Amino acid sequence: AQKITQTQPGMFVQEKEAVTLDCTYDTSDPSYGLFWYKQPSSGEMIFLIYQGSYDQQNATEGRYSLNFQKARKSANLVISASQLGDSAMYFCAMRPYSGSARQLTFGSGTQLTVLP
Amino acid sequence: SAVISQKPSRDICQRGTSLTIQCQVDSQVTMMFWYRQQPGQSLTLIATANQGSEATYESGFVIDKFPISRPNLTFSTLTVSNMSPEDSSIYLCSVQGARYEQYFGPGTRLTVT
Repeated sequence: AQKITQTQPGMFVQEKEAVTLDCTYDTSDPSYGLFWYKQPSSGEMIFLIYQGSYDQQNATEGRYSLNFQKARKSANLVISASQLGDSAMYFCAMRPYSGSARQLTFGSGTQLTVLP
Repeated sequence: SAVISQKPSRDICQRGTSLTIQCQVDSQVTMMFWYRQQPGQSLTLIATANQGSEATYESGFVIDKFPISRPNLTFSTLTVSNMSPEDSSIYLCSVQGARYEQYFGPGTRLTVT
């Protein structure tokens, strides 16, 4: 079984500063993918970034980067130069690529508030 | 990326009634997923729907309560039956992209009174 842990229920960051949202995971599968989603108050789930377990480099997508430390089983999201529009709930998720249970498993989320 | 639409976007329903949520994708996909997000909670997978076969339900979810149809490769419906206030949630349809990504619809915000 997979488990995703997000230990920060809420985070505050000043506009234009960088912020790191923590995510640790637990799985026995050798091959898996890690995802981050943003959920604004409107409720939609916006895909931000993906990291494969065998990828050698950390994933980056614009202002988003994923700090992947496989040995520590962590996949932290780094948002650079925060903007007011970044205020939202952020979810870390994982999908194994082997075995019968291949659905996404989500963490409990982190509510990010960007302060002007 | 896949473009997913859901109808209705929100609804207020009385207990004991049923609501059918529609999910339309702009491309053919093999698997479609239905998730529930209760207030203040994370997402929980209800079931996986493959075209031409019965949906596969996760532990805690049953077909009588959440019947799902998948008539073709671009469309699915989820029915929330005999609703109670505990069914008040956001229901999200999701599809897997061509490679690894998974996309979500805008969600259906359901309130049961």
